[in-house]
Amino acid sequence: GAVVSQHPSWVICKSGTSVKIECRSLDFQATTMFWYRQFPKQSLMLMATSNEGSKATYEQGVEKDKFLINHASLTLSTLTVTSAHPEDSSFYICSAARQGAYEQYFGPGTRLTVT
Amino acid sequence: LAKTTQPISMDSYEGQEVNITCSHNNIATNDYITWYQQFPSQGPRFIIQGYKTKVTNEVASLFIPADRKSSTLSLPRVSLSDTAVYYCLVGGRGYQKVTFGTGTKLQVIP
Repeated sequence: GAVVSQHPSWVICKSGTSVKIECRSLDFQATTMFWYRQFPKQSLMLMATSNEGSKATYEQGVEKDKFLINHASLTLSTLTVTSAHPEDSSFYICSAARQGAYEQYFGPGTRLTVT
Repeated sequence: LAKTTQPISMDSYEGQEVNITCSHNNIATNDYITWYQQFPSQGPRFIIQGYKTKVTNEVASLFIPADRKSSTLSLPRVSLSDTAVYYCLVGGRGYQKVTFGTGTKLQVIP
């Protein structure tokens, strides 16, 4: 149990376009999901906390108008990178919290390449 | 948020036991300690979690001293497939945000 999926697993887009990444909790309900970004050979950096039915809470330095997060249901959160630029190329990872658990369950990640 | 400190890297030969220590001096009373494993281009994978003393599962053991200011992940008889980055996280309930430290890059040598 406690499986989290992400779609797509990789995506290539042109500079200036937008791309949406989905994060789903497959076998549990997640009132809270997190979005991380990871650059090569670096650790995961928390971008935002997503709570079902409410606005996401962004970490300092993360542009909320550029990284749009929607958590419309208890099993789905989406991250939309708007007007993507090459510097947005990164590995994006989501995680989900299951009620009562002390750990987060991570998705497999999405590789975004902006050309 | 509790800050964690781990060695940046470690090397070990196949078949040896590996111990990775994490320092978390400002751990809060309600915080648990969780270790994750991450392979390149994959999301972190849960290894083990504990609050105090010793926890053991089928893949690892976690040792936590009484003051809980540090913890040690023990991997018995590592194999080449254990080459990965290992992260120690300290936090409360899963819905509370955590901060990833640098992690420890373990290289298993044949």
